[in-house]
Amino acid sequence: AQTVTQSQPEMSVQEAETVTLSCTYDTSESDYYLFWYKQPPSRQMILVIRQEAYKQQNATENRFSVNFQKAAKSFSLKISDSQLGDAAMYFCVFYGGATNKLIFGTGTLLAVQP
Amino acid sequence: DVKVTQSSRYLVKRTGEKVFLECVQDMDHENMFWYRQDPGLGLRLIYFSYDVKMKEKGDIPEGYSVSREKKERFSLILESASTNQTSMYLCASTQARRGYGYTFGSGTRLTVV
Repeated sequence: AQTVTQSQPEMSVQEAETVTLSCTYDTSESDYYLFWYKQPPSRQMILVIRQEAYKQQNATENRFSVNFQKAAKSFSLKISDSQLGDAAMYFCVFYGGATNKLIFGTGTLLAVQP
Repeated sequence: DVKVTQSSRYLVKRTGEKVFLECVQDMDHENMFWYRQDPGLGLRLIYFSYDVKMKEKGDIPEGYSVSREKKERFSLILESASTNQTSMYLCASTQARRGYGYTFGSGTRLTVV
C-alpha cells in the first residue's frame, strides 16, 4: 500500500524568505503523480504544483518548486519569497496504481511571519 | 467559476441522529468523493462514486453511507451519528479517473454532541 509521510507538523518562515517542506512516500508503482495542495483558513483545497513520476525535470510554478528524488522517494516543496498569503496547511499527495485515489500526507502547517 | 458546494459550513447534531451532508457540483463531473479531515491524520477517503447510482467504499466507510441519485449531487449519510464522527468533511469531484483536476468544496465542520 502507498503511504505519504510529512514529518514536519508545523513550520514558520519570515516574509520574503525561503522555506522547504519535506515529504517522503512509499510505493512499488513506477507510474504515479505527486502533488502539493494548499489549504488556507478558508478551507478551500488548492492545487499548488504537480509532478509526474516519469519526468526527471522538477516542476516549477512561479515561486513554488519541487525537488523530486524518485530513487529516494522524496518530494519536497520549496517556497521562495514567502508571502503572508502563503500561510496555510500544505498536504503532500500521491496518486497512482490500481487504487486510483488520492493519498494524503498528514499535512504541514506553515506560518509566515511579517 | 466552477464549483463544488457543500450545503453547510458548520453543523451541530446530537448523538444518534441521522445526518445528511450534501455536495453539489456544477461541472458535469463523473467522479465524486467524500473525505474526512482530522488533525494529524490528513484526509481519508470515506466513499466515492464514478457514476450515478454507483458507489465504492474508501478507506474508512464504517458508520457512513452515500447516495448519488443525480450526477451533480453526492450525499454522505451518517445513519446514527456518534461523537467519534465529529470532524471536517470535504467533498471533491473530478472529470476523469486520474490524479489531477480535482475540485474541492469548502468543507462542513460537523460536531456531534
